[in-house]
Amino acid sequence: DVKVTQSSRYLVKRTGEKVFLECVQDMDHENMFWYRQDPGLGLRLIYFSYDVKMKEKGDIPEGYSVSREKKERFSLILESASTNQTSMYLCASSLRRNYGHTFGSGTRLTVV
Amino acid sequence: DAKTTQPTSMDCAEGRAANLPCNHSTISGNEYVYWYRQIHSQGPQYIIHGLKNNETNEMASLIITEDRKSSTLILPHATLRDTAVYYCIVVRRNKTTMVGPGTYKYIFGTGTRLKVLA
Repeated sequence: DVKVTQSSRYLVKRTGEKVFLECVQDMDHENMFWYRQDPGLGLRLIYFSYDVKMKEKGDIPEGYSVSREKKERFSLILESASTNQTSMYLCASSLRRNYGHTFGSGTRLTVV
Repeated sequence: DAKTTQPTSMDCAEGRAANLPCNHSTISGNEYVYWYRQIHSQGPQYIIHGLKNNETNEMASLIITEDRKSSTLILPHATLRDTAVYYCIVVRRNKTTMVGPGTYKYIFGTGTRLKVLA
């Protein structure tokens, strides 16, 4: 089975800290995605990448950046964490562009 | 961009078929319908997808109307473990100014909370 692994299940950070969320997939998928999920808002796309070193903004990229130096790894960076970035963050990958996503288990980030 | 509309919640008796509707009346000809589900505190799980024809796999069946404006996900024999939030989404193609072909985006709504009752 394809595995998408997120480095942390729970994370607590202070306002203003730089935060790295790591995601690794083990099946050579082309596309990788970062979403955040908040009650009543569903999943919202932050950034995605369809190739190494390629990235595109999703619907809510403000306050975030990403890095994809290797095909299997896609990192989400919060340059200066704020309390409104407290959320569940989900990483996903897909083999090709119209294939289904495989999601990780999520990282619940709390910014205090 | 095609958006989807789903009922907020549904109940289904264990062992019966669960039929989850989804409206996507603004869907374009090259957009796919995907279904995912999310069990509490886990990441979403892919179920099935389709373009025009009905589809079936080991988890579910997907019925898409001829005009493609709506679809129904069918879980033929619901179990307690099927209790989850079910998302119907339409894959949106978005042209990019970067070199290379267009890329796809997924827009998730708030889903249907299915409760399977013993």
